[in-house]
Amino acid sequence: EDQVTQSPEALRLQEGESSSLNCSYTVSGLRGLFWYRQDPGKGPEFLFTLYSAGEEKEKERLKATLTKKESFLHITAPKPEDSATYLCAVQAVSGGAQKLVFGQGTRLTINP
Amino acid sequence: NAGVMQNPRHLVRRRGQEARLRCSPVKGHSHVYWYRQLPEEGLKFMVYLQKENIIDESGMPKERFSAEFPKEGPSILRIQQVVRGDSAAYFCASLRGGDTQYFGPGTRLTVL
Repeated sequence: EDQVTQSPEALRLQEGESSSLNCSYTVSGLRGLFWYRQDPGKGPEFLFTLYSAGEEKEKERLKATLTKKESFLHITAPKPEDSATYLCAVQAVSGGAQKLVFGQGTRLTINP
Repeated sequence: NAGVMQNPRHLVRRRGQEARLRCSPVKGHSHVYWYRQLPEEGLKFMVYLQKENIIDESGMPKERFSAEFPKEGPSILRIQQVVRGDSAAYFCASLRGGDTQYFGPGTRLTVL
């Protein structure tokens, strides 16, 4: 069964304090790994897709990386507006549905 | 959220009533996914539909739940005889091709 585990569950940082969020996964065959951001009361907002080990993608203060067993979301010099829950999801090769299997999320709080 | 629309945003029902949740995908997208987010839990896949077809309903409870995506109009997730355990946020996502699913703002269902 495909599974995604995110750590930590919650993380508090001071503004400007860089850190990383972890996403460990087991999947029969990885089609893609996705990162989303979710603000309270809203739907997930797409950030990145990673397809193969060694791939990296960047957007503003965020950088996502992928290995064969895990992905990291690095946040550099975060600002209070980066506070949100960050969700990781995998999509398996098998089957045609392309459904996403999500982790529980990491709730990130950036204090000014 | 790339234009996916869901309504209503909030829905309150008493036990035993029916709930109808609507999703209009991004214009031009013909694939719709429904996910459920229970309190303190991650997003869970329910059903995947293309126009007039249910492709994968493996995540949907066998009883009381049904979904459709007619040729014209929005996709509908229908829950009959709601129970308190159905209280959750229900999200719809759409894609046209490729891998990236774009999510709507969700419908928050409360069962009294």
